[in-house]
Amino acid sequence: DIQLTQSPSFLSASVGDRVTITCRASQGISSSLAWYQQKPGKAPKLLIYGASTLETGVPSRFSGSGSGAEFTLTISSLQPEDLATYYCQQVNSYPRTFGQGTKVEIK
Amino acid sequence: EAQLVESGGGLVQPEGSLRLSCAASGFTFSYYEMNWVRQAPGKGLEWVSYISGDGGTIYYADSVKGRFTISRDNARNSLNLQMNGLRDEDTALYYCVRGGRTRLDFWGQGTLVTVSS
Repeated sequence: DIQLTQSPSFLSASVGDRVTITCRASQGISSSLAWYQQKPGKAPKLLIYGASTLETGVPSRFSGSGSGAEFTLTISSLQPEDLATYYCQQVNSYPRTFGQGTKVEIK
Repeated sequence: EAQLVESGGGLVQPEGSLRLSCAASGFTFSYYEMNWVRQAPGKGLEWVSYISGDGGTIYYADSVKGRFTISRDNARNSLNLQMNGLRDEDTALYYCVRGGRTRLDFWGQGTLVTVSS
């Protein structure tokens, strides 16, 4: 099974800051990676797929990059509504796996 | 507008059974791959099972293989998860989720399963 490791597990940043979350896969997965945002008490929401393709309706301050085994999710200018936990997921093979999550707090 | 509504959760004793259902609307259900993803209280996301649009391809997480069975009824736009031999560690919010090959693009609100004596 492919393991995904996110870092950091928690981060606290101010409104307007640039925030970067990393997801590392235990083996190469090409660009087969998606990112999700889960706000408190809500279901997850797809942000990015194919490592870098923004889902329709997602604000352009979110971006994804990477391929192979290392990926990043960047929020270019953190907004109060970005308070959430972010998960990466590999869609290269079954069983599908998620990273452990990165909780983003607003200072 | 797409909608996924889960039902069937509840309190069940260890080794008991439960059947979850998911009613889909607002999209052509048979065209889409579907999944169950769960989240234990205060924990991260865990993918549980996948079924292709025609039901011909199915995958399970190792943690549920042999105990859970995914199925779908395209005529009724419904997805199901039969859960047998439930364990404490199966306690979670179970999400019905559309998608598969490249992403999980639409999530229901979840149904809570609690396994406890």
